[in-house]
Amino acid sequence: ETGVTQTPRHLVMGMTNKKSLKCEQHLGHNAMYWYKQSAKKPLELMFVYSLEERVENNSVPSRFSPECPNSSHLFLHLHTLQPEDSALYLCASSQGQGSGANVLTFGAGSRLTVL
Amino acid sequence: AQKITQTQPGMFVQEKEAVTLDCTYDTSDPSYGLFWYKQPSSGEMIFLIYQGSYDQQNATEGRYSLNFQKARKSANLVISASQLGDSAMYFCAMREPSGATNKLIFGTGTLLAVQP
Repeated sequence: ETGVTQTPRHLVMGMTNKKSLKCEQHLGHNAMYWYKQSAKKPLELMFVYSLEERVENNSVPSRFSPECPNSSHLFLHLHTLQPEDSALYLCASSQGQGSGANVLTFGAGSRLTVL
Repeated sequence: AQKITQTQPGMFVQEKEAVTLDCTYDTSDPSYGLFWYKQPSSGEMIFLIYQGSYDQQNATEGRYSLNFQKARKSANLVISASQLGDSAMYFCAMREPSGATNKLIFGTGTLLAVQP
């Protein structure tokens, strides 16, 4: 496995379900991110973890709960979601400081549909 | 606040021709980074090219080049010799000032269709 892997790729859930999205990176990076991509809107940064500590939480509703147990894994726990939460959820990782050409490496995303 | 604007929702280009995708940005920070990503229908965001605000020369990566006009706050992506596989969404992004992480803000994207 190389790069950033996200599972599942597709998820359909009801509003009362509890599910989790998983992200794993094999790049040795120390920062991980969750972005939400909705139709016709810019990507929205949801959470940032640096060295397994949450450093950013962009006013995301509490029905989204992130977890970063180690520098290689990132989860997004979902519960009692709303239909407007249907979107593509992208995980990314990067190495440390935001300077120079340090790039975000993205996974292929988890397409979430809330019924 | 930082902002990225992509005014072209969609573009068509003939195979083997060059195409320019527009991007303007707004920031008050003198130090920033500009990125272009490609997102094919598979969903993965693929990094294409980077331009630093203090870089003297326009960035180039193979068929991709970035037309960086600092005074105009524009960072247009030029794709030369378009290929069918270039059909995808293209996003311009800017790195917000941050210390330990590499947060990016994105534009709304341009859908490029390469025609045979």
